[in-house]
Amino acid sequence: QKEVEQDPGPLSVPEGAIVSLNCTYSNSAFQYFMWYRQYSRKGPELLMYTYSSGNKEDGRFTAQVDKSSKYISLFIRDSQPSDSATYLCAMSLVRGAGSYQLTFGKGTKLSVIP
Amino acid sequence: DTEVTQTPKHLVMGMTNKKSLKCEQHMGHRAMYWYKQKAKKPPELMFVYSYEKLSINESVPSRFSPECPNSSLLNLHLHALQPEDSALYLCASSQDPPRPAAGGANVLTFGAGSRLTVL
Repeated sequence: QKEVEQDPGPLSVPEGAIVSLNCTYSNSAFQYFMWYRQYSRKGPELLMYTYSSGNKEDGRFTAQVDKSSKYISLFIRDSQPSDSATYLCAMSLVRGAGSYQLTFGKGTKLSVIP
Repeated sequence: DTEVTQTPKHLVMGMTNKKSLKCEQHMGHRAMYWYKQKAKKPPELMFVYSYEKLSINESVPSRFSPECPNSSLLNLHLHALQPEDSALYLCASSQDPPRPAAGGANVLTFGAGSRLTVL
């Protein structure tokens, strides 16, 4: 079983729809949970990060972490064509000096159709 | 200035060439990273520099040689690469190096990447 599972899509939604992106993970030691957005031919851009279980909201974006289920979600409200990109979940832990792990999901390709 | 700048944007090289990728940040970040990303795959960590010292090498072949001349610059020297090394090479930085006390809470800022093609 891979440490982080993410459905690669592609996912197509009409403009204005609510988008739900999800990742599951197997390593309960992960401590921080992040969502990155990557436009074509660009580097990943951090959208949000969370530490504890619960919700975190930033404008149209809501990140949700459920550590008991090892499940994280990103919700996008009122989706716009400019939201069309690949969304990568990422999780990190530090095991000790010099031992760091940041594991990305495969990314979900989202298209928002005008 | 909240950017990580990478040059060149595109690079084509033969298997016998020697070339370098460059990365620069002026955010005062103390950790810098090299990642490799193949098409439709997530980024994979290659190296981490903390306070200008190499702290993590993820078993990367010696044909990739990182260098951190100062706290703002990170280079990746390339020599005798293989066609399978063709990929997007991403540089990133974070304010603090990864350390247990922070629990992995180092948020990475990525550059736009250098797209490398090895013929």
